[in-house]
Amino acid sequence: DAKTTQPTSMDCAEGRAANLPCNHSTISGNEYVYWYRQIHSQGPQYIIHGLKNNETNEMASLIITEDRKSSTLILPHATLRDTAVYYCIVRAGGGGTTSGTYKYIFGTGTRLKVLA
Amino acid sequence: DARVTQTPRDKVTEMGQEVTMRCQPILGHNTVFWYRQTMMQGLELLAYFRNRAPLDDSGMPKDRFSAEMPDATLATLKIQPSEPRDSAVYFCASGPRGGPPETQYFGPGTRLLVL
Repeated sequence: DAKTTQPTSMDCAEGRAANLPCNHSTISGNEYVYWYRQIHSQGPQYIIHGLKNNETNEMASLIITEDRKSSTLILPHATLRDTAVYYCIVRAGGGGTTSGTYKYIFGTGTRLKVLA
Repeated sequence: DARVTQTPRDKVTEMGQEVTMRCQPILGHNTVFWYRQTMMQGLELLAYFRNRAPLDDSGMPKDRFSAEMPDATLATLKIQPSEPRDSAVYFCASGPRGGPPETQYFGPGTRLLVL
């Protein structure tokens, strides 16, 4: 079962910041927060990940609360091409073992619609 | 710009036929994943390979599905015999050496329709 809770859908005006929340209240100390998105008819695309500290890359920023029980993905200037389903996933780091720690569990995600 | 490639992109077949889907991971990546996506179930992990060795295929129906990596540049997923309920989009993903953490890069998918 997915370990995260996300809103089903959100709208955002083009050019404005899109803030996508994610709750992961049962996250363990060795689990990372990953964000992927899936644009219609394409494969999921990696966006960003973090463990404790806030992270920023060319696509987005990830803000993780101090207690790590929730996080927010920020798209600073949303464009129409950012319309997609955004998945928040928690997963242990490491090379993966048969214990299943490598498994990404994709929930239902947040359907973000960027409006012109 | 390195990408995961998958062939075919679309496949329509009749029930009972064998289906083979192919994936070329990004050069240098040592992990390969097969996923299936349907409207009802979302994205499900079918199998996972590391350094060409299968680590977990518990998500696959064993009687009809098989996954292999003949070499580091090719992963295959076979369904024999295919059934209408296998209709879905099948994604392959690969991940780089090293870690933690382990990110995954997805291919464009194979859209399978079994009539």
